[in-house]
Amino acid sequence: NAGVIQTPRHKVTGKGQEATLWCEPISGHSAVFWYRQTIVQGLEFLTYFRNQAPIDDSGMPKERFSAQMPNQSHSTLKIQSTQPQDSAVYLCASSLDSQNTLYFGAGTRLSVL
Amino acid sequence: GEQVEQLPSILRVQEGSSASINCSYEDSASNYFPWYKQEPGENPKLIIDIRSNMERKQIQELIVLLDKKAKRFSLHITDTQPGDSAMYFCAATGTGYQNFYFGKGTSLTVIP
Repeated sequence: NAGVIQTPRHKVTGKGQEATLWCEPISGHSAVFWYRQTIVQGLEFLTYFRNQAPIDDSGMPKERFSAQMPNQSHSTLKIQSTQPQDSAVYLCASSLDSQNTLYFGAGTRLSVL
Repeated sequence: GEQVEQLPSILRVQEGSSASINCSYEDSASNYFPWYKQEPGENPKLIIDIRSNMERKQIQELIVLLDKKAKRFSLHITDTQPGDSAMYFCAATGTGYQNFYFGKGTSLTVIP
């Protein structure tokens, strides 16, 4: 079991460019979460899928952020027109269901210059 | 949604002493409380958890206490070692919740 796989590990974009982050959850896990981690805010919830269906995206900045889960083996987080304040570590996590242990990926460190 | 407050944000202790981190929550419907440890450059990893049918749980040097009436839970690390230095996060979730709600984290440094 390779755990939750996130790619890329590091991404540098210029202001206004688009960034797409990828997550492969643990096989068999039905719940997939995206979090954003910064020193100031800690772990901020962004969005959550269960059985590929979007359940809660209340943490997503509405205008530029979107997430999809086209199949059970991967999810993407897309940030359009990136801004310096989007710089953070984006963590994907999966669990068997919403009441079980969260397993985090190694994260993608996004730097917007 | 649930709000989880975690204190202190920074904690420094001498090696061999105990370290305590406290969290509080608002919604009495929360019934599962995991703790995660994150070492520099690593992803958060579950170290211990407690469900609402328990008041105390211990795994080796880690003790978790849950006070449902006060809506508080805490992590105690006994006989701290330098390897315990890391960021610690508490979280809460419950039946019907769609999400894990995390505290803002505690940076623990164990001084040799």
